[in-house]
Amino acid sequence: EDQVTQSPEALRLQEGESSSLNCSYTVSGLRGLFWYRQDPGKGPEFLFTLYSAGEEKEKERLKATLTKKESFLHITAPKPEDSATYLCAVQAHTGGFKTIFGAGTRLFVKA
Amino acid sequence: NAGVTQTPKFRILKIGQSMTLQCAQDMNHNYMYWYRQDPGMGLKLIYYSVGAGITDKGEVPNGYNVSRSTTEDFPLRLELAAPSQTSVYFCASSSVPGGSQETQYFGPGTRLLVL
Repeated sequence: EDQVTQSPEALRLQEGESSSLNCSYTVSGLRGLFWYRQDPGKGPEFLFTLYSAGEEKEKERLKATLTKKESFLHITAPKPEDSATYLCAVQAHTGGFKTIFGAGTRLFVKA
Repeated sequence: NAGVTQTPKFRILKIGQSMTLQCAQDMNHNYMYWYRQDPGMGLKLIYYSVGAGITDKGEVPNGYNVSRSTTEDFPLRLELAAPSQTSVYFCASSSVPGGSQETQYFGPGTRLLVL
C-alpha cells in the first residue's frame, strides 16, 4: 500500500536555526514527490516536485532532496514568516493520478 | 486569473441534508481533484477527473458524488450529510501530467460542519 509518513509532527525553531523535515514514502514505482506549504485557513501552496533519487531543488531558504526511500526539506536560517505546515505527497506510476499526502509537519519559527 | 475558486467558504448542515460544493478553475486544466482534510491528518482524495465527462474514485468516495460537464467546473455533491463528513474540503487542478507541469493548484477550501 502506498504510504507517506512525515516527521516530526511539529518543530519549533529559533530564527536563524537551520533544520530539516523528513518525508518517508513507500510507493510502487514513484512517479513524483511533491512538497507543499499550507498556512492556517488556506489551501496548500506548491513548493517543489522531485522525480528521481539524487534530485535537488531550491527556493529561497528551502531545499528539497530525494532518495529512494525519503525526501528532506532543509530550511536554512529560517524566519518567522516560514512558519506553516509543510506537506509531502507522492504519486505512483500504477496509481493513476491519485496523490497520497502525509499528515504534515507544523513548523514554528520564533523571532 | 482567479486560479481555483470554491464556494461556499463555510457551511453548517443538519444530518440528512444535502448540498453541493462548487469548484471552478480558469487555467484550462484537464485534471481536477477533491480532497478532504481532517484535523492533524493528511489530505484524502475523494474523487478526481481527467477531463470533461470523466471522473474516478479516490480513497474516500463513499457519501459523495461528482460530475464534470465542463473543463472549468467540478462540483462535489454530498447526499444525506453525516457528522463524519465534517471536514475542510479542498478542490485542486493541474495541467496534463509530466515534467515540471505536474503541480496541483489548490482552492481556499470549504469548511463544512454537520450537526
